[in-house]
Amino acid sequence: DTGVSQDPRHKITKRGQNVTFRCDPISEHNRLYWYRQTLGQGPEFLTYFQNEAQLEKSRLLSDRFSAERPKGSFSTLEIQRTEQGDSAMYLCASSLPNYGGSSNNEQFFGPGTRLTVL
Amino acid sequence: DAKTTQPPSMDCAEGRAANLPCNHSTISGNEYVYWYRQIHSQGPQYIIHGLKNNETNEMASLIITEDRKSSTLILPHATLRDTAVYYCIVRVVYTGGFKTIFGAGTRLFVKA
Repeated sequence: DTGVSQDPRHKITKRGQNVTFRCDPISEHNRLYWYRQTLGQGPEFLTYFQNEAQLEKSRLLSDRFSAERPKGSFSTLEIQRTEQGDSAMYLCASSLPNYGGSSNNEQFFGPGTRLTVL
Repeated sequence: DAKTTQPPSMDCAEGRAANLPCNHSTISGNEYVYWYRQIHSQGPQYIIHGLKNNETNEMASLIITEDRKSSTLILPHATLRDTAVYYCIVRVVYTGGFKTIFGAGTRLFVKA
C-alpha cells in the first residue's frame, strides 16, 4: 500500500503525559498537513510543511503542540502535558507540489490516529 | 476561503442517484469547488473538483451553477458503501501551499 500511513492508529494516555504521532506521506509528495477532528465535526487544519519547512501553523496549535519533518519525509506531531480536550482524531495528509496554478492538488489523507486522554 | 452551506443529513435508496447540494454564494472567481467524503473511522477521500464547468469521473459528477453560487455532487447509483459524510469545500488554487477548511458536511445514509 503506497498511501499515507499513520502510527499508532489508537493511543490512550493519562492526562499530563506526552504523546507522539508519526505520519509517513506518499513518497513523492513534498507537502504534508496535520488536521485534528473531534466527534461530529469536520477536520480542522493544524499545520503544514513543504519539504522540511513548517510554513503555516493554526492558532489551534498551542505551545504544547509541536510538529517536525526533519528530513522532508515523515513527520511527527508531539503533544506535551496532554489534556482531556486534546482527545480527537489526528489526521495527516500529503499532496504534490502545485506548479503553475494547476488545480490538481488534491490531498491524500491517512487513516488517522485516535487519541483518548483519560 | 469561501464558506459553504450543506444540509446536515440526507437519505438515499440503494441504486438510486444521490444528489448532494452545496451553497457557496460568496465564492470568488479563482476558487475551485472540491468534494471529499469520509467513511466512518477513515480519513477523508478526494472525490472530484471543478471551477465552472461540470465535471465527471469514475466516482461522481459535479454540477456547478452558471453563477457558481451553488453546486451539486451526484452519485449516480448509490451503494451501501457510499454511506459517509460528504464535505463541500471551496478554495483558491495557487502555487503555494493550501489548507483545506472543512465544514460539518452532509451525512449521507444509503438504505437498502
